[in-house]
Formats: sequence, structure tokens, C-alpha cells
Amino acid sequence: AQSVSQHNHHVILSEAASLELGCNYSYGGTVNLFWYVQYPGQHLQLLLKYFSGDPLVKGIKGFEAEFIKSKFSFNLRKPSVQWSDTAEYFCAVIADTGRRALTFGSGTRLQVQP
Amino acid sequence: GAVVSQHPSWVICKSGTSVKIECRSLDFQATTMFWYRQFPKQSLMLMATSNEGSKATYEQGVEKDKFLINHASLTLSTLTVTSAHPEDSSFYICSGTIPGSIYEQYFGPGTRLTVT
Repeated sequence: AQSVSQHNHHVILSEAASLELGCNYSYGGTVNLFWYVQYPGQHLQLLLKYFSGDPLVKGIKGFEAEFIKSKFSFNLRKPSVQWSDTAEYFCAVIADTGRRALTFGSGTRLQVQP
Repeated sequence: GAVVSQHPSWVICKSGTSVKIECRSLDFQATTMFWYRQFPKQSLMLMATSNEGSKATYEQGVEKDKFLINHASLTLSTLTVTSAHPEDSSFYICSGTIPGSIYEQYFGPGTRLTVT
């Protein structure tokens, strides 16, 4: 079964700082990878996804993520964060075979200070 | 597009009673719906997967007789928490997938259940 690890539980940044949130997964086969964001009091929204092709994917609101297969990683990045990026970020994976359900990481709480 | 709603958004019930939570896909037909549970400051844990017209598939450790799931139509799935206890207090979130796009899920806003 697949699993997802997010090592940064709580990140505090100042506005305009660069962001990188780590995500590692464990699964030996083909996976589909996602980053979701949950703003305070709101539902989960898809930031970006990777299915195949270019390992550098761009999402909404200036976010991007790079899939590095050899490292089983899918880190989320943003060159310059804004106060409005304050939210909970979840990495998730679906294996290409077997149970087609999302497995979520534990989440990273990002706090951006103005 | 791809909007999912949940009703109610929050509910308080007494221990021993049952509570029904509705999940609706408003602008698409969701052939598959998922139910998750989210504890405070923790991730989402999948409870069950339901396909329209068939029995739900529950994750290991989830009591199917306690968490009854019905996916009667392509736009509605319900989760009934039977004989609720305080430890069932949690945030319940549903999601739906668009036909032909099984990997992309659209999430509802969640339902906060408090059992007193």
C-alpha cells in the first residue's frame, strides 16, 4: 500500500519569501500525485497534479511542483509567498493500479506573516 | 464547475442518536464518491468508497454497521452515523469524481459533527 510523508508540519514565512514543502511517497509502481490546499474555513482545492510527462508541473496561484522519481518526491514550490497563501497544504497520491483512492500526507500548515 | 455540497455544515447530536450527512454533486454526475474523516490538525483518512447503485467499500477499521453509506443516485451520497458516540465527533468530508476522470476528486466543504 502507498503512503505519503510530509516532513514540514508547520512553516512560518514572511511575505515574499520562497517556499518549498516536502512530500515523499512510498510505492513501487506508477503513481499520480496531487497537492491540495485548504484555506481556513474552506474546502480542499486542487493546486496541481502530476500524471505523466514533464515532471515539472505548474498549478494555480503561482505554485509548481517537481516530480523526482528517483527520490520518490513531489515537492511544492512558490518563489514568493503572499499572506493569502496562509493555509494547510496536503500532498496526496493515487497508485495507478489497485485501490483508486487518494492517500493523503499529514499536511503542512503554512503561516505567512505580512 | 465540479462543485460538491454537503448538508448540514455542522450538527450537534446527543450520544446514542443517528445523524445523516448528505453529499451532492451540483453540476456533474459523480459515479464514485468518497467519504473521509479529518481529525483536528490531522490529515484526511478515507473511510469508504461508494459507487452509484452498489454497496460501499469500507476501509479497514471502519465499522460498516456504524457508518452507513448510500449512493442512491449519481448526484447524491449519504453517510449515516448510527448510535453516535462522542468519539465519532469529527469533520466528515465527501468527494466525487467525474466519469472518465477517476483520479481527480472534487471535495465538499465538510460537515462538523459534535456528539455530546
